[in-house]
Amino acid sequence: DAGITQSPRHKVTETGTPVTLRCHQTENHRYMYWYRQDPGHGLRLIHYSYGVKDTDKGEVSDGYSVSRSKTEDFLLTLESATSSQTSVYFCATAGRNEQFFGPGTRLTVL
Amino acid sequence: GEDVEQSLFLSVREGDSSVINCTYTDSSSTYLYWYKQEPGAGLQLLTYIFSNMDMKQDQRLTVLLNKKDKHLSLRIADTQTGDSAIYFCAETFASGGSYIPTFGRGTSLIVHP
Repeated sequence: DAGITQSPRHKVTETGTPVTLRCHQTENHRYMYWYRQDPGHGLRLIHYSYGVKDTDKGEVSDGYSVSRSKTEDFLLTLESATSSQTSVYFCATAGRNEQFFGPGTRLTVL
Repeated sequence: GEDVEQSLFLSVREGDSSVINCTYTDSSSTYLYWYKQEPGAGLQLLTYIFSNMDMKQDQRLTVLLNKKDKHLSLRIADTQTGDSAIYFCAETFASGGSYIPTFGRGTSLIVHP
């Protein structure tokens, strides 16, 4: 267990509201990632980080932003949530050519 | 571009062997992985193989790699109901730069009693 926690674990929000999901790790891993998982699409990378203040876009980054001000925390923000962003969001870290995943956050946008 | 393909479903009887297949396109892949996802949980690394290996065995799990055909398989011996889950294949290549694994869409393994 790589010591990855995500908060909140469940959230219901309304269209147009901002939402921030938090990922916290205790392993001092350099790389951190945000994925979304949807039926029929598997895991899709939203954004990733390769160090404090160093982030880059993944394949489905539109509508999402991230920040990493400390090694242990990686935040995912939906500036104005839409129903298409209803999904399960997973945070992951990587150390030594292995990825470790958090338990996920189920987000519902009404 | 990179792509990882898996069949979506596999159904087996308890006690039989399960074989989950995966094909990938990036010939520079260095590491190939199998992850397991149980309902309501995140992905958990099951095993991985380095690209200079043909086979890796770990208890009931056997991973076979055919680099020529870019084909990876996971065999689960004596499949149990607790093995029912989604299995993801993933690839990446080691470099001094980024570490961005590419995942398949996952194979749902259903084990019947």
